[in-house]
Amino acid sequence: DTAVSQTPKYLVTQMGNDKSIKCEQNLGHDTMYWYKQDSKKFLKIMFSYNNKELIINETVPNRFSPKSPDKAHLNLHINSLELGDSAVYFCASSPAGGLGSETQYFGPGTRLLVL
Amino acid sequence: QKEVEQNSGPLSVPEGAIASLNCTYSDRGSQSFFWYRQYSGKSPELIMSIYSNGDKEDGRFTAQLNKASQYVSLLIRDSQPSDSATYLCAVVTSGTYKYIFGTGTRLKVLA
Repeated sequence: DTAVSQTPKYLVTQMGNDKSIKCEQNLGHDTMYWYKQDSKKFLKIMFSYNNKELIINETVPNRFSPKSPDKAHLNLHINSLELGDSAVYFCASSPAGGLGSETQYFGPGTRLLVL
Repeated sequence: QKEVEQNSGPLSVPEGAIASLNCTYSDRGSQSFFWYRQYSGKSPELIMSIYSNGDKEDGRFTAQLNKASQYVSLLIRDSQPSDSATYLCAVVTSGTYKYIFGTGTRLKVLA
């Protein structure tokens, strides 16, 4: 009964490919997030959705496109993968409106390696 | 200036000692502060949250917040080798309500 799950756990792909990472939470939370953690362990927010609506969209290349089919799912599609996209991508969720006073619950991460 | 700053470490302490982890932030209007622990190859997990000035204790962990000086710290009493991990400070910015993480402090507790 995993709270926040991500698939795949590992993703190794060639430059230029398009790939997707899926995230699902069964906590009944309203807000979901995508974070990127680089090799120096810096964890940076990319996107946030509240009830399927985009509320945070950081300065990331438009090759990254999030999609939230419902409030329990937030997927990340990446076009034309580049070497610099190699990182660990974490999905997270929080209970309500994402107004910052809530704990975030993280998924296990997806380790992306672009060759 | 980085929005949330932490010393990357490693901070090495002997088993049983107090580990002191510090974090400073730049947004004076921030109201919510969190400490997460991240073991190597794992996802971050919440240790403590703190919203008011002063100390907040939970078992061996104490979070301290000083909004005037814009710093938040985490004390770990009776440190154990199992506490060895990277500790991430997170600050929620005023207005945009974004979580901003520091780069983390790597703690090593020596047996």
